[in-house]
Amino acid sequence: EVQLLESGGGLVQPGGSLRLSCTASGFRFSAYWMHWVRQVPGKGLVWVSRIYSDGSATNYADFVEGRFIISRDNAKNRLYMQMDSLRGDDTAVYYCARGDRGGFDVWGQGTMVTVSS
Amino acid sequence: DIRLTQSPSTLSASVGDRVTITCRASQSINSWLAWYQQRPGKAPKFLVYNTSNLESGVPSRFSGSGSGTEFTLTISSLQPDDSATYHCQHWLGFLWTFGQGTKLEIK
Repeated sequence: EVQLLESGGGLVQPGGSLRLSCTASGFRFSAYWMHWVRQVPGKGLVWVSRIYSDGSATNYADFVEGRFIISRDNAKNRLYMQMDSLRGDDTAVYYCARGDRGGFDVWGQGTMVTVSS
Repeated sequence: DIRLTQSPSTLSASVGDRVTITCRASQSINSWLAWYQQRPGKAPKFLVYNTSNLESGVPSRFSGSGSGTEFTLTISSLQPDDSATYHCQHWLGFLWTFGQGTKLEIK
């Protein structure tokens, strides 16, 4: 079964850091672009970041550029997001998603990140 | 940047109805337009890609169409299981953009 499972969310103070992980199974992880997408509860989906299949290139939404770093370990079938200088408006559910056919065809269940003092 | 605006924001319809959700782009876009279904507390589900291609396993009552600045998701005969929020999404280069979502309720 094709599956993505996120972990690492939680409560963090403003200015703090958090590292999200996403473990993939059931497909050749190294063949796909991977993304992070976030959603404030009750609001719309927002794309955050993308990493090439081999990790050679990354892209970020403007609002996280310079604060978040996406990475992957294809040997471990894992995707990561290092989040630094967190702000209140980073509070959201963070999904990892597989990129394919111009969209996101496989999603994890999401992990909640709450930035609050 | 391209902005996607969905209409309506909320929609209430009866079982068996034909339902259409519209996604309008702020400028003419390519065909890389996708649709997702999201039930409360769940991750989005990939429904349609490249404007009109149905993802494997998605019921045939769902269809997508459009070009330029206007794209639509149509459910030909609404079922109780279709109650959800629907999102459109576009891809161009290094940017992936979503609409704000349309909440579909069953009367």
